[in-house]
Formats: sequence, structure tokens, C-alpha cells
Amino acid sequence: DTAVSQTPKYLVTQMGNDKSIKCEQNLGHDTMYWYKQDSKKFLKIMFSYNNKELIINETVPNRFSPKSPDKAHLNLHINSLELGDSAVYFCASSQEPASSGNTIYFGEGSWLTVV
Amino acid sequence: GNSVTQMEGPVTLSEEAFLTINCTYTATGYPSLFWYVQYPGEGLQLLLKATKADDKGSNKGFEATYRKETTSFHLEKGSVQVSDSAVYFCALRDTGFQKLVFGTGTRLLVSP
Repeated sequence: DTAVSQTPKYLVTQMGNDKSIKCEQNLGHDTMYWYKQDSKKFLKIMFSYNNKELIINETVPNRFSPKSPDKAHLNLHINSLELGDSAVYFCASSQEPASSGNTIYFGEGSWLTVV
Repeated sequence: GNSVTQMEGPVTLSEEAFLTINCTYTATGYPSLFWYVQYPGEGLQLLLKATKADDKGSNKGFEATYRKETTSFHLEKGSVQVSDSAVYFCALRDTGFQKLVFGTGTRLLVSP
């Protein structure tokens, strides 16, 4: 069974559209994340939720809205897509506290292309 | 702030060569250190980790030792294979911070 699963894996859409990426983890973790990987492979955190509460929001445009219906799910909705939103979006999860060096587990990524 | 610096790639090696990918970090607390690997067209997988100074993480023939005195966590493998071709990311999690801070990644290309 996949520990962190996200859908869709590939998404091609036109500028101006609204799209969502879904993520689910079956590891029983209490913290989930969205990371963005740009065309140069650079990875940067976007959001983090702990027990459905937003705890990290890293200067992401407000066109991006995460939603966590429960601690096993963290979805990402993007409004008015722009060309610069083309990237790979990774969902991840971990069990806190971070001080114990708990591993963050990543999904397989969602390849978003805006045309 | 916290940051991770990795050597620029690509690193090009022949099969069975020795691999070193350098990683140094800056952190305000006592971070845990990680190496993740991304194979072509795939997601991120944890390769190994170390949670305190002098710890050695190891997996699949790869090793890295947490060196507090040099703030380094260099990745090594004694004999690389073509199947090791991937992008390798060094990362840290500082005490009390949930997020991972990644280096820029180093692409490894291994030829037969």
C-alpha cells in the first residue's frame, strides 16, 4: 500500500483554470505538507498542517488554498492558474515532534503543466 | 536562518567508481540531517538520515556521517551502479521546526 498518495500524477490545464490536487496518507501521521519543485529541481515548502491546523504558510500566493478535512488528507486547490505555476507538487507527512528527527515521507508528486 | 549547500552537478562517473557528494549546512539549533533521492520521473525517497552529531546513516551502500565540527553531511558510496543515476538532495530539520530545508540537489549520472 502506498503510504502517501496524491492524485492526479499528471495534469495539463489552461491558464486561468482552477484545479485541485488531492493527498492522502495512511501512516497515521499528524502533520502533512505541500512542497513545490520548480524546473531547476529546487524544493520549497508551501504549507504545513498539524492535526488539521495550518502551521506553516510560506509566502505563497493566495490563489493557492490548502484544505485539510482530517489529519489524513491535505488537498491543494489552485485558482486562476498561471504559467509560472507549472511545477511538480509533492505532498508529504510526518509524525511530530521534529526534534526526534522524525522522517518526512513524500508522495510520488503531481506534475502540473499550465499551457 | 537555516540553509543547506550542496555541490553543483552533474556528477558524472563510470560504474564502480567512488562517489562523494558534498553537503554543508547552517542551522540555529540541533538539526537532524537527511539525504533524499529522486529517480527520473519519480518522487522523493528517503535514502538515509542522522539525528545527532557523529551518527552515521547508511542504506543501499550509501553512507553519510553527521559532522558537527565541520557542519557537513557528505554522501559517499564505494562503488556506484548505473541504477544509482538520480538527483540527490541533502536536507535538514531543525529543532522545533516542522519543515525540511533542502539543498539544490545534485544530479548523478553513472555510465556503464
